[in-house]
Amino acid sequence: KAGVTQTPRYLIKTRGQQVTLSCSPISGHRSVSWYQQTPGQGLQFLFEYFSETQRNKGNFPGRFSGRQFSNSRSEMNVSTLELGDSALYLCASSLAANEQFFGPGTRLTVL
Amino acid sequence: GENVEQHPSTLSVQEGDSAVIKCTYSDSASNYFPWYKQELGKGPQLIIDIRSNVGEKKDQRIAVTLNKTAKHFSLHITETQPEDSAVYFCAVPLGGSQGNLIFGKGTKLSVKP
Repeated sequence: KAGVTQTPRYLIKTRGQQVTLSCSPISGHRSVSWYQQTPGQGLQFLFEYFSETQRNKGNFPGRFSGRQFSNSRSEMNVSTLELGDSALYLCASSLAANEQFFGPGTRLTVL
Repeated sequence: GENVEQHPSTLSVQEGDSAVIKCTYSDSASNYFPWYKQELGKGPQLIIDIRSNVGEKKDQRIAVTLNKTAKHFSLHITETQPEDSAVYFCAVPLGGSQGNLIFGKGTKLSVKP
């Protein structure tokens, strides 16, 4: 089976812009979770989607949003980018209540 | 909310030695305890996990032990090899939902040949 794929792998944006990241889960997995990884804060949960519905949400501002499509692919969007949004954004997929498998991440740099 | 503490933050061992990383958590309702390995430039890879109905699980050179009373679980790597060098993370699901993992801060393991 193909693993979790994330596009793009690298992205450079400037402050104030918005960005959309994409995640394709492992075939058959219906749950997709997003995490932000930074050297200072480590891995932090953003949100989880299951069957096109947001099931859980972390403690991030409303500038961070996401959605899931009927084929389980997911996107996350960050509007009005700030320097502090520079991070590795990781997507993980899982079956209904099992272990999470991570993609390689999207490295976002905000200048 | 759930709090996960991981120790040590760095660990250096000689090839062939054992390595132990420990995590403590606060929510006694937690029932799933995974460990992830992250190599440079890659996403975290699940290496072993344990559920609350068992106290120990082993997979070749890797084992995880769980003490629910003390609310801690540990990763044990025996006969370490240079390719074990990476950052290891423990995690605990928040509120019982495995779609929302709270991660420890990570342990950078260096295995010297």
